[in-house]
Amino acid sequence: NAGVTQTPKFQVLKTGQSMTLQCAQDMNHNSMYWYRQDPGMGLRLIYYSASEGTTDKGEVPNGYNVSRLNKREFSLRLESAAPSQTSVYFCASSEVRTAGKNIQYFGAGTRLSVL
Amino acid sequence: GESVGLHLPTLSVQEGDNSIINCAYSNSASDYFIWYKQESGKGPQFIIDIRSNMDKRQGQRVTVLLNKTVKHLSLQIAATQPGDSAVYFCAENRYGGSDYKLSFGAGTTVTVRA
Repeated sequence: NAGVTQTPKFQVLKTGQSMTLQCAQDMNHNSMYWYRQDPGMGLRLIYYSASEGTTDKGEVPNGYNVSRLNKREFSLRLESAAPSQTSVYFCASSEVRTAGKNIQYFGAGTRLSVL
Repeated sequence: GESVGLHLPTLSVQEGDNSIINCAYSNSASDYFIWYKQESGKGPQFIIDIRSNMDKRQGQRVTVLLNKTVKHLSLQIAATQPGDSAVYFCAENRYGGSDYKLSFGAGTTVTVRA
């Protein structure tokens, strides 16, 4: 079972370059998420999509855009990369998101360095 | 402000001993909590969850305890093995804006000594 698949696994960008991080899940989940993980700060939510056709901002959305392409795919775009966006990015998905339940399943991550 | 946090950033434990990882939360309205394990170079992996109407829940070699009075959550790992070496995160399910979202603590790094 593939679960949540992220591409690429590693990326190095120069300041000002753009790129799109891809995420796909094969669990037929409605909700998908993008997080960033920085040392000592845990996971912070960038954007999420409650269902196909909807997207909402999370805790740290500035400098990012997202697209929920279909139920399986949710992409994260950096239009003009900055060194502050050097981080590890995780995509996640969940079947249910409600009071008393919200298990999210994560991909292996994309390690991004912006020089 | 309200937050989810872990008491200790690192924990060193002898192989075969029991491990206890602690987490404090401050949002008394949170109704659901999850523990994740993250091995080096990998994404977080779900371990166990607990709803606020429970005090204890057991899984395979793991037990989560919830004390709502003092807003404290703990993960106990029985007979710790080298494969348990990882970063452990607690996450709190919060209602904010118009939706439920997980809020993660900073994590505790567990190192198992042979």
